[in-house]
Amino acid sequence: EAGVAQSPRYKIIEKRQSVAFWCNPISGHATLYWYQQILGQGPKLLIQFQNNGVVDDSQLPKDRFSAERLKGVDSTLKIQPAKLEDSAVYLCASSSLIQGPPYEQYFGPGTRLTVT
Amino acid sequence: AQSVTQLDSQVPVFEEAPVELRCNYSSSVSVYLFWYVQYPNQGLQLLLKYLSGSTLVKGINGFEAEFNKSQTSFHLRKPSVHISDTAEYFCAVISTDSWGKFQFGAGTQVVVTP
Repeated sequence: EAGVAQSPRYKIIEKRQSVAFWCNPISGHATLYWYQQILGQGPKLLIQFQNNGVVDDSQLPKDRFSAERLKGVDSTLKIQPAKLEDSAVYLCASSSLIQGPPYEQYFGPGTRLTVT
Repeated sequence: AQSVTQLDSQVPVFEEAPVELRCNYSSSVSVYLFWYVQYPNQGLQLLLKYLSGSTLVKGINGFEAEFNKSQTSFHLRKPSVHISDTAEYFCAVISTDSWGKFQFGAGTQVVVTP
């Protein structure tokens, strides 16, 4: 079974530029998560999708961050414009409702973003 | 609301020595508990989980954890560490009413030296 795929693995941009990250979850997983992991901290949930609908985006900075999950499979997370404090690793995870609670999450390798 | 506290930010340990990583949580409802490991430049990998039943849970790579409801703790242990156990370890909680929303601790960096 293929794992969660993310690209790119690394990205360096200047502040005020825009950037996009891509995630392909495990086949058949209905739930997809985006996390932000700042150096020295645990992952913080940004947004949770159930199929192509948003379940929770309460911690997503909506003035600059956006995310979509078209057709309930792949997802993209965008930052526009980027700030220095957005430097972090962006992790994507997916889980299956079929397996029942507690919906164990499987993580991708992450995208390391550096904003200069 | 739920929260997770990992009591040690860094734990240095010699190879073949035991290690314990401490995790405390708070929640007004029942919880599921997890430990994840993150190797450098990689995503998170599940070590073990507590859902119900026996409070002593065994995971991969020789790790185990004990759920203590009265002390709201879920400490991770390994009796003898290897150099390859050098990594960051995260405790995570899902409350039974949060429908899959993890709350992660800040992490504990384990550094194993010869």
